[in-house]
Amino acid sequence: ELKVEQNPLFLSMQEGKNYTIYCNYSTTSDRLYWYRQDPGKSLESLFVLLSNGAVKQEGRLMASLDTKARLSTLHITAAVHDLSATYFCAALPPTDKLIFGTGTRLQVFP
Amino acid sequence: KAGVTQTPRYLIKTRGQQVTLSCSPISGHRSVSWYQQTPGQGLQFLFEYFSETQRNKGNFPGRFSGRQFSNSRSEMNVSTLELGDSALYLCASSLGPGLAGGLAYEQYFGPGTRLTVT
Repeated sequence: ELKVEQNPLFLSMQEGKNYTIYCNYSTTSDRLYWYRQDPGKSLESLFVLLSNGAVKQEGRLMASLDTKARLSTLHITAAVHDLSATYFCAALPPTDKLIFGTGTRLQVFP
Repeated sequence: KAGVTQTPRYLIKTRGQQVTLSCSPISGHRSVSWYQQTPGQGLQFLFEYFSETQRNKGNFPGRFSGRQFSNSRSEMNVSTLELGDSALYLCASSLGPGLAGGLAYEQYFGPGTRLTVT
Protein backbone atom coordinates (compact mmCIF):
# COMPACT_ATOMS: atom_id res chain seq x y z
CA GLU A 1 0.00 0.00 0.00
CA LEU A 2 1.28 3.43 -0.95
CA LYS A 3 2.53 5.55 1.92
CA VAL A 4 3.51 9.19 1.67
CA GLU A 5 5.90 10.84 4.09
CA GLN A 6 6.66 14.50 4.33
CA ASN A 7 9.41 16.20 6.19
CA PRO A 8 9.80 18.31 8.06
CA LEU A 9 6.43 18.29 9.79
CA PHE A 10 6.97 21.79 11.06
CA LEU A 11 9.12 24.49 9.60
CA SER A 12 9.77 27.87 11.08
CA MET A 13 11.77 30.09 8.81
CA GLN A 14 12.84 33.67 8.59
CA GLU A 15 11.65 35.91 5.80
CA GLY A 16 14.08 35.98 2.93
CA LYS A 17 15.46 32.50 3.54
CA ASN A 18 15.25 29.45 1.28
CA TYR A 19 14.07 26.01 2.29
CA THR A 20 12.86 22.72 0.86
CA ILE A 21 10.02 20.42 1.88
CA TYR A 22 10.48 16.76 0.99
CA CYS A 23 7.83 14.26 0.00
CA ASN A 24 8.73 10.58 -0.23
CA TYR A 25 6.33 7.92 -1.41
CA SER A 26 6.73 4.19 -1.06
CA THR A 27 5.44 2.64 -4.29
CA THR A 28 4.54 3.54 -7.83
CA SER A 29 2.60 6.73 -8.26
CA ASP A 30 1.26 8.09 -11.54
CA ARG A 31 1.63 11.68 -10.47
CA LEU A 32 2.27 13.96 -7.53
CA TYR A 33 0.20 16.84 -6.21
CA TRP A 34 1.03 19.74 -3.95
CA TYR A 35 -1.63 21.63 -2.01
CA ARG A 36 -1.71 24.53 0.35
CA GLN A 37 -4.10 24.85 3.26
CA ASP A 38 -4.60 27.97 5.36
CA PRO A 39 -5.93 27.51 8.91
CA GLY A 40 -9.59 26.58 8.87
CA LYS A 41 -9.71 26.67 5.10
CA SER A 42 -9.88 24.20 2.26
CA LEU A 43 -7.13 22.88 0.02
CA GLU A 44 -5.74 25.03 -2.74
CA SER A 45 -4.04 23.23 -5.59
CA LEU A 46 -0.49 24.42 -6.18
CA PHE A 47 1.11 21.98 -8.59
CA VAL A 48 0.40 18.77 -10.45
CA LEU A 49 3.54 16.91 -11.49
CA LEU A 50 2.79 14.42 -14.21
CA SER A 51 6.07 12.75 -15.08
CA ASN A 52 9.62 12.07 -14.04
CA GLY A 53 11.76 15.18 -14.08
CA ALA A 54 8.77 17.51 -14.07
CA VAL A 55 9.48 20.92 -12.60
CA LYS A 56 6.91 23.62 -12.04
CA GLN A 57 7.30 27.08 -10.61
CA GLU A 58 4.85 29.66 -9.38
CA GLY A 59 6.19 32.73 -7.69
CA ARG A 60 8.48 31.76 -4.83
CA LEU A 61 7.50 28.08 -4.98
CA MET A 62 9.05 25.45 -7.19
CA ALA A 63 8.11 21.77 -7.22
CA SER A 64 9.94 18.88 -8.79
CA LEU A 65 9.41 15.16 -9.19
CA ASP A 66 11.90 12.29 -9.35
CA THR A 67 9.91 9.11 -9.88
CA LYS A 68 13.00 6.89 -9.75
CA ALA A 69 13.80 8.12 -6.24
CA ARG A 70 10.07 8.37 -5.42
CA LEU A 71 10.72 11.88 -4.23
CA SER A 72 9.14 15.24 -4.78
CA THR A 73 10.40 18.51 -3.40
CA LEU A 74 8.78 21.87 -2.83
CA HIS A 75 11.39 24.59 -2.75
CA ILE A 76 10.66 27.95 -1.19
CA THR A 77 12.75 30.87 -2.32
CA ALA A 78 13.10 34.06 -0.27
CA ALA A 79 10.16 33.24 1.98
CA VAL A 80 7.58 35.88 2.83
CA HIS A 81 4.96 35.87 5.58
CA ASP A 82 2.14 35.21 3.10
CA LEU A 83 3.56 31.75 2.48
CA SER A 84 2.74 30.70 6.05
CA ALA A 85 0.35 27.75 5.70
CA THR A 86 0.31 23.97 5.77
CA TYR A 87 1.57 22.27 2.64
CA PHE A 88 0.49 18.79 1.63
CA CYS A 89 1.82 16.52 -1.03
CA ALA A 90 -0.33 13.69 -2.35
CA ALA A 91 0.55 10.72 -4.52
CA LEU A 92 -1.74 8.80 -6.82
CA PRO A 93 -1.31 5.01 -6.84
CA PRO A 94 -2.85 2.76 -9.51
CA THR A 95 -5.92 2.39 -7.29
CA ASP A 96 -6.69 6.00 -8.22
CA LYS A 97 -7.21 6.93 -4.55
CA LEU A 98 -5.23 10.02 -3.67
CA ILE A 99 -2.92 9.42 -0.69
CA PHE A 100 -1.88 12.49 1.26
CA GLY A 101 1.23 13.15 3.26
CA THR A 102 1.04 14.35 6.84
CA GLY A 103 1.53 17.95 5.87
CA THR A 104 4.25 20.47 6.63
CA ARG A 105 3.25 23.43 8.70
CA LEU A 106 5.26 26.41 7.53
CA GLN A 107 5.60 29.52 9.62
CA VAL A 108 7.50 32.49 8.20
CA PHE A 109 8.54 35.17 10.64
CA PRO A 110 10.17 38.60 10.10
CA LYS B 1 -17.12 30.25 -12.83
CA ALA B 2 -18.49 29.32 -9.43
CA GLY B 3 -16.39 26.96 -7.34
CA VAL B 4 -17.29 23.86 -5.38
CA THR B 5 -19.87 24.57 -2.71
CA GLN B 6 -20.58 22.58 0.40
CA THR B 7 -23.43 22.83 2.84
CA PRO B 8 -23.69 23.20 5.70
CA ARG B 9 -20.36 24.70 6.63
CA TYR B 10 -20.62 23.81 10.30
CA LEU B 11 -22.59 21.12 12.05
CA ILE B 12 -22.87 19.88 15.60
CA LYS B 13 -24.40 16.47 16.20
CA THR B 14 -24.74 14.04 19.06
CA ARG B 15 -23.36 10.52 19.16
CA GLY B 16 -25.73 8.05 17.58
CA GLN B 17 -27.34 10.57 15.26
CA GLN B 18 -26.93 10.61 11.54
CA VAL B 19 -25.86 13.45 9.27
CA THR B 20 -26.05 14.33 5.59
CA LEU B 21 -23.57 16.66 3.93
CA SER B 22 -24.03 18.17 0.50
CA CYS B 23 -21.61 19.09 -2.25
CA SER B 24 -22.25 20.91 -5.52
CA PRO B 25 -19.40 20.54 -8.01
CA ILE B 26 -18.13 23.10 -10.46
CA SER B 27 -20.46 23.39 -13.43
CA GLY B 28 -19.54 20.78 -16.01
CA HIS B 29 -17.64 18.59 -13.57
CA ARG B 30 -19.07 15.11 -13.30
CA SER B 31 -16.85 13.57 -10.66
CA VAL B 32 -17.13 14.26 -6.95
CA SER B 33 -14.76 12.88 -4.34
CA TRP B 34 -15.04 13.10 -0.58
CA TYR B 35 -12.25 13.33 1.97
CA GLN B 36 -12.10 13.33 5.74
CA GLN B 37 -9.52 15.47 7.53
CA THR B 38 -8.72 14.92 11.20
CA PRO B 39 -5.71 15.94 13.30
CA GLY B 40 -4.94 12.31 14.05
CA GLN B 41 -5.41 10.59 10.70
CA GLY B 42 -4.80 13.50 8.38
CA LEU B 43 -6.49 13.63 4.99
CA GLN B 44 -8.14 10.38 3.93
CA PHE B 45 -10.06 9.49 0.80
CA LEU B 46 -13.64 8.44 1.45
CA PHE B 47 -15.18 7.78 -1.95
CA GLU B 48 -15.65 9.04 -5.47
CA TYR B 49 -18.80 9.30 -7.53
CA PHE B 50 -19.02 9.67 -11.27
CA SER B 51 -22.20 9.64 -13.32
CA GLU B 52 -24.27 8.71 -10.28
CA THR B 53 -22.14 5.63 -9.58
CA GLN B 54 -19.66 5.04 -6.80
CA ARG B 55 -16.44 4.54 -8.65
CA ASN B 56 -13.99 4.19 -5.82
CA LYS B 57 -14.07 3.77 -2.07
CA GLY B 58 -11.61 4.28 0.75
CA ASN B 59 -11.20 2.24 3.93
CA PHE B 60 -14.12 3.51 5.94
CA PRO B 61 -16.89 1.55 7.65
CA GLY B 62 -20.27 1.10 6.06
CA ARG B 63 -21.68 3.90 8.23
CA PHE B 64 -20.21 6.22 5.64
CA SER B 65 -22.16 6.29 2.43
CA GLY B 66 -22.88 8.65 -0.38
CA ARG B 67 -24.71 9.20 -3.58
CA GLN B 68 -24.66 11.40 -6.61
CA PHE B 69 -27.58 12.88 -8.45
CA SER B 70 -28.11 13.39 -12.16
CA ASN B 71 -27.01 17.03 -11.87
CA SER B 72 -23.70 15.78 -10.36
CA ARG B 73 -24.48 17.11 -6.92
CA SER B 74 -23.42 14.67 -4.24
CA GLU B 75 -24.42 13.90 -0.72
CA MET B 76 -22.52 12.07 1.96
CA ASN B 77 -24.24 10.39 4.87
CA VAL B 78 -22.81 9.19 8.14
CA SER B 79 -25.05 7.09 10.33
CA THR B 80 -24.69 6.28 14.02
CA LEU B 81 -22.20 9.04 14.60
CA GLU B 82 -19.19 8.43 16.82
CA LEU B 83 -16.96 10.97 18.52
CA GLY B 84 -14.17 10.00 16.12
CA ASP B 85 -16.24 11.18 13.17
CA SER B 86 -15.58 14.77 14.19
CA ALA B 87 -13.65 16.13 11.26
CA LEU B 88 -13.51 18.50 8.35
CA TYR B 89 -15.20 16.85 5.40
CA LEU B 90 -13.99 18.08 2.06
CA CYS B 91 -15.43 17.42 -1.31
CA ALA B 92 -13.60 17.89 -4.55
CA SER B 93 -14.82 17.94 -8.11
CA SER B 94 -13.10 17.10 -11.37
CA LEU B 95 -14.06 16.82 -15.01
CA GLY B 96 -13.85 13.11 -15.53
CA PRO B 97 -13.69 9.84 -13.67
CA GLY B 98 -10.76 9.60 -11.33
CA LEU B 99 -7.41 11.28 -11.66
CA ALA B 100 -5.28 8.57 -13.23
CA GLY B 101 -6.93 8.81 -16.63
CA GLY B 102 -5.95 11.39 -19.15
CA LEU B 103 -9.28 13.15 -19.11
CA ALA B 104 -8.89 14.92 -15.79
CA TYR B 105 -5.87 15.11 -13.58
CA GLU B 106 -6.82 17.92 -11.27
CA GLN B 107 -9.53 18.30 -8.71
CA TYR B 108 -10.88 21.39 -7.01
CA PHE B 109 -11.79 21.39 -3.36
CA GLY B 110 -14.76 22.97 -1.67
CA PRO B 111 -14.58 24.93 1.60
CA GLY B 112 -15.49 21.88 3.67
CA THR B 113 -18.06 21.03 6.31
CA ARG B 114 -16.78 20.98 9.86
CA LEU B 115 -18.65 18.29 11.77
CA THR B 116 -18.43 18.14 15.54
CA VAL B 117 -19.87 15.10 17.31
CA THR B 118 -20.55 15.50 21.03
